[in-house]
Amino acid sequence: GQSLEQPSEVTAVEGAIVQINCTYQTSGFYGLSWYQQHDGGAPTFLSYNALDGLEETGRFSSFLSRSDSYGYLLLQELQMKDSASYFCALLAGGKLIFGQGTELSVKP
Amino acid sequence: ETGVTQTPRHLVMGMTNKKSLKCEQHLGHNAMYWYKQSAKKPLELMFVYSLEERVENNSVPSRFSPECPNSSHLFLHLHTLQPEDSALYLCASSRDPGLAGGGNEQFFGPGTRLTVL
Repeated sequence: GQSLEQPSEVTAVEGAIVQINCTYQTSGFYGLSWYQQHDGGAPTFLSYNALDGLEETGRFSSFLSRSDSYGYLLLQELQMKDSASYFCALLAGGKLIFGQGTELSVKP
Repeated sequence: ETGVTQTPRHLVMGMTNKKSLKCEQHLGHNAMYWYKQSAKKPLELMFVYSLEERVENNSVPSRFSPECPNSSHLFLHLHTLQPEDSALYLCASSRDPGLAGGGNEQFFGPGTRLTVL
Protein backbone atom coordinates (compact mmCIF):
# COMPACT_ATOMS: atom_id res chain seq x y z
CA GLY A 1 0.00 0.00 0.00
CA GLN A 2 0.88 3.65 0.03
CA SER A 3 1.20 6.10 2.91
CA LEU A 4 2.46 9.63 3.44
CA GLU A 5 3.51 11.51 6.55
CA GLN A 6 3.72 15.25 7.03
CA PRO A 7 3.59 17.48 10.12
CA SER A 8 0.09 18.46 11.19
CA GLU A 9 0.91 22.11 11.98
CA VAL A 10 3.63 24.66 11.24
CA THR A 11 3.79 28.29 12.38
CA ALA A 12 6.02 30.98 10.88
CA VAL A 13 6.21 34.76 10.68
CA GLU A 14 5.61 36.99 7.71
CA GLY A 15 8.67 37.32 5.48
CA ALA A 16 10.27 34.14 6.76
CA ILE A 17 11.04 30.86 4.98
CA VAL A 18 9.27 27.64 5.94
CA GLN A 19 9.82 24.03 4.85
CA ILE A 20 7.08 21.41 4.99
CA ASN A 21 8.40 17.86 4.84
CA CYS A 22 6.73 14.78 3.45
CA THR A 23 7.90 11.19 3.68
CA TYR A 24 6.17 8.41 1.83
CA GLN A 25 5.99 4.67 1.37
CA THR A 26 4.86 3.13 -1.88
CA SER A 27 5.40 0.10 -4.05
CA GLY A 28 5.05 2.08 -7.26
CA PHE A 29 6.00 5.69 -7.78
CA TYR A 30 5.41 8.22 -10.52
CA GLY A 31 5.71 11.52 -8.71
CA LEU A 32 4.97 13.72 -5.72
CA SER A 33 2.59 16.65 -5.93
CA TRP A 34 1.79 19.50 -3.57
CA TYR A 35 -1.62 21.13 -3.17
CA GLN A 36 -2.74 24.18 -1.20
CA GLN A 37 -6.17 24.48 0.39
CA HIS A 38 -7.47 27.59 2.08
CA ASP A 39 -10.10 27.13 4.73
CA GLY A 40 -13.41 26.37 3.02
CA GLY A 41 -11.84 26.36 -0.43
CA ALA A 42 -10.85 23.91 -3.13
CA PRO A 43 -7.38 22.32 -3.15
CA THR A 44 -5.23 23.95 -5.80
CA PHE A 45 -2.18 22.48 -7.48
CA LEU A 46 1.20 23.94 -6.56
CA SER A 47 3.91 21.70 -7.94
CA TYR A 48 4.93 18.25 -9.14
CA ASN A 49 8.24 16.37 -8.91
CA ALA A 50 8.89 13.17 -10.82
CA LEU A 51 12.67 13.33 -10.71
CA ASP A 52 15.12 14.08 -7.92
CA GLY A 53 15.91 17.71 -7.36
CA LEU A 54 14.35 21.07 -6.88
CA GLU A 55 11.48 22.60 -8.87
CA GLU A 56 11.01 26.33 -8.42
CA THR A 57 7.84 28.29 -9.10
CA GLY A 58 8.06 31.83 -7.84
CA ARG A 59 8.13 31.91 -4.05
CA PHE A 60 7.40 28.19 -3.84
CA SER A 61 9.88 25.38 -4.46
CA SER A 62 9.48 21.64 -4.15
CA PHE A 63 12.19 19.05 -3.67
CA LEU A 64 12.23 15.30 -4.15
CA SER A 65 14.66 12.55 -3.19
CA ARG A 66 13.38 9.23 -4.48
CA SER A 67 16.15 7.25 -2.78
CA ASP A 68 15.07 8.68 0.59
CA SER A 69 11.31 8.57 -0.22
CA TYR A 70 11.22 12.18 0.89
CA GLY A 71 10.15 15.52 -0.40
CA TYR A 72 9.52 19.01 0.86
CA LEU A 73 7.74 22.21 -0.05
CA LEU A 74 9.67 25.41 0.57
CA LEU A 75 7.80 28.67 0.88
CA GLN A 76 9.84 31.87 0.83
CA GLU A 77 8.96 35.46 1.71
CA LEU A 78 5.90 34.26 3.56
CA GLN A 79 2.76 36.33 3.29
CA MET A 80 -0.36 36.28 5.43
CA LYS A 81 -2.30 34.85 2.50
CA ASP A 82 -0.07 31.75 2.59
CA SER A 83 -1.91 30.61 5.73
CA ALA A 84 -3.58 27.43 4.50
CA SER A 85 -3.31 23.65 4.55
CA TYR A 86 -0.67 22.07 2.36
CA PHE A 87 -0.98 18.48 1.16
CA CYS A 88 1.64 16.28 -0.39
CA ALA A 89 0.16 13.68 -2.71
CA LEU A 90 1.68 10.56 -4.19
CA LEU A 91 0.97 9.74 -7.81
CA ALA A 92 1.03 5.97 -7.98
CA GLY A 93 -1.02 3.49 -9.96
CA GLY A 94 -2.73 6.27 -11.86
CA LYS A 95 -4.25 7.92 -8.79
CA LEU A 96 -3.33 10.48 -6.17
CA ILE A 97 -2.91 9.43 -2.55
CA PHE A 98 -3.00 12.45 -0.23
CA GLY A 99 -1.21 13.05 3.04
CA GLN A 100 -3.18 14.33 6.00
CA GLY A 101 -2.12 17.93 5.34
CA THR A 102 -0.02 20.51 7.17
CA GLU A 103 -1.78 23.57 8.50
CA LEU A 104 0.48 26.57 8.05
CA SER A 105 -0.18 29.65 10.15
CA VAL A 106 1.63 32.83 9.16
CA LYS A 107 1.86 35.42 11.94
CA PRO A 108 2.57 39.12 11.49
CA GLU B 1 -12.23 29.68 -10.30
CA THR B 2 -10.71 26.38 -11.37
CA GLY B 3 -13.12 25.44 -14.15
CA VAL B 4 -14.82 22.82 -11.98
CA THR B 5 -18.18 23.68 -10.44
CA GLN B 6 -20.17 21.79 -7.83
CA THR B 7 -23.76 22.10 -6.67
CA PRO B 8 -25.11 22.40 -4.11
CA ARG B 9 -22.42 24.02 -1.98
CA HIS B 10 -24.18 22.99 1.22
CA LEU B 11 -26.60 20.15 1.85
CA VAL B 12 -28.37 18.97 4.97
CA MET B 13 -30.23 15.70 4.74
CA GLY B 14 -31.84 13.11 6.94
CA MET B 15 -30.80 9.49 6.94
CA THR B 16 -33.82 8.45 4.91
CA ASN B 17 -33.46 11.09 2.20
CA LYS B 18 -32.18 10.67 -1.33
CA LYS B 19 -30.14 13.49 -2.83
CA SER B 20 -27.59 14.00 -5.58
CA LEU B 21 -24.41 16.02 -5.84
CA LYS B 22 -23.48 17.47 -9.21
CA CYS B 23 -20.11 18.30 -10.68
CA GLU B 24 -19.33 19.93 -14.01
CA GLN B 25 -15.95 20.61 -15.56
CA HIS B 26 -15.31 23.09 -18.37
CA LEU B 27 -11.71 22.10 -19.03
CA GLY B 28 -12.07 19.41 -21.67
CA HIS B 29 -10.62 16.81 -19.31
CA ASN B 30 -11.14 13.08 -19.71
CA ALA B 31 -10.97 11.99 -16.06
CA MET B 32 -13.18 12.94 -13.13
CA TYR B 33 -12.96 12.05 -9.47
CA TRP B 34 -14.97 12.09 -6.25
CA TYR B 35 -13.14 12.62 -2.96
CA LYS B 36 -14.36 12.73 0.62
CA GLN B 37 -12.66 15.12 3.05
CA SER B 38 -13.46 14.69 6.73
CA ALA B 39 -12.06 16.94 9.44
CA LYS B 40 -8.42 16.20 10.30
CA LYS B 41 -8.23 13.40 7.73
CA PRO B 42 -6.56 13.13 4.31
CA LEU B 43 -8.63 13.43 1.19
CA GLU B 44 -10.04 9.99 0.49
CA LEU B 45 -10.46 8.96 -3.12
CA MET B 46 -13.91 7.47 -3.70
CA PHE B 47 -14.37 7.02 -7.46
CA VAL B 48 -12.47 7.63 -10.68
CA TYR B 49 -14.03 7.93 -14.11
CA SER B 50 -12.07 7.92 -17.34
CA LEU B 51 -13.93 8.72 -20.54
CA GLU B 52 -17.21 8.09 -18.71
CA GLU B 53 -16.17 4.63 -17.53
CA ARG B 54 -15.59 3.89 -13.87
CA VAL B 55 -12.01 2.78 -13.40
CA GLU B 56 -11.76 2.94 -9.64
CA ASN B 57 -14.13 2.22 -6.80
CA ASN B 58 -12.25 2.57 -3.57
CA SER B 59 -14.33 0.24 -1.39
CA VAL B 60 -17.06 2.83 -1.05
CA PRO B 61 -20.37 1.76 0.55
CA SER B 62 -23.23 1.20 -1.86
CA ARG B 63 -25.20 4.07 -0.34
CA PHE B 64 -22.95 6.24 -2.54
CA SER B 65 -23.69 5.74 -6.23
CA PRO B 66 -21.74 7.65 -8.90
CA GLU B 67 -22.91 8.45 -12.40
CA CYS B 68 -20.96 9.92 -15.29
CA PRO B 69 -23.28 10.59 -18.25
CA ASN B 70 -20.55 12.35 -20.27
CA SER B 71 -16.99 13.54 -19.80
CA SER B 72 -18.09 16.94 -18.46
CA HIS B 73 -20.57 15.86 -15.81
CA LEU B 74 -20.32 13.70 -12.72
CA PHE B 75 -22.98 12.93 -10.15
CA LEU B 76 -22.91 11.33 -6.74
CA HIS B 77 -26.28 9.90 -5.72
CA LEU B 78 -26.81 9.57 -1.99
CA HIS B 79 -29.34 7.43 -0.15
CA THR B 80 -29.80 6.19 3.42
CA LEU B 81 -26.64 7.92 4.56
CA GLN B 82 -25.26 7.80 8.08
CA PRO B 83 -24.17 10.73 10.29
CA GLU B 84 -20.53 9.66 9.83
CA ASP B 85 -20.91 10.41 6.12
CA SER B 86 -21.03 14.12 6.98
CA ALA B 87 -18.01 15.64 5.23
CA LEU B 88 -16.85 17.86 2.39
CA TYR B 89 -17.28 16.07 -0.93
CA LEU B 90 -14.88 17.27 -3.58
CA CYS B 91 -14.99 16.70 -7.29
CA ALA B 92 -11.86 16.97 -9.43
CA SER B 93 -10.87 16.52 -13.05
CA SER B 94 -7.63 15.92 -14.92
CA ARG B 95 -6.56 15.34 -18.50
CA ASP B 96 -6.11 11.61 -17.99
CA PRO B 97 -6.05 9.38 -14.90
CA GLY B 98 -3.27 7.15 -16.09
CA LEU B 99 -0.88 9.73 -17.45
CA ALA B 100 2.26 9.87 -15.38
CA GLY B 101 4.17 13.07 -15.26
CA GLY B 102 3.63 16.74 -14.95
CA GLY B 103 0.81 18.51 -16.65
CA ASN B 104 -1.74 16.07 -15.33
CA GLU B 105 -2.58 17.91 -12.17
CA GLN B 106 -6.07 17.62 -10.76
CA PHE B 107 -8.36 20.63 -10.70
CA PHE B 108 -10.79 20.65 -7.80
CA GLY B 109 -14.23 22.11 -7.41
CA PRO B 110 -15.21 24.06 -4.28
CA GLY B 111 -16.92 21.04 -2.74
CA THR B 112 -20.31 20.26 -1.24
CA ARG B 113 -20.47 20.48 2.55
CA LEU B 114 -22.79 17.60 3.50
CA THR B 115 -24.41 17.22 6.89
CA VAL B 116 -26.38 14.06 7.65
CA LEU B 117 -28.76 14.34 10.59
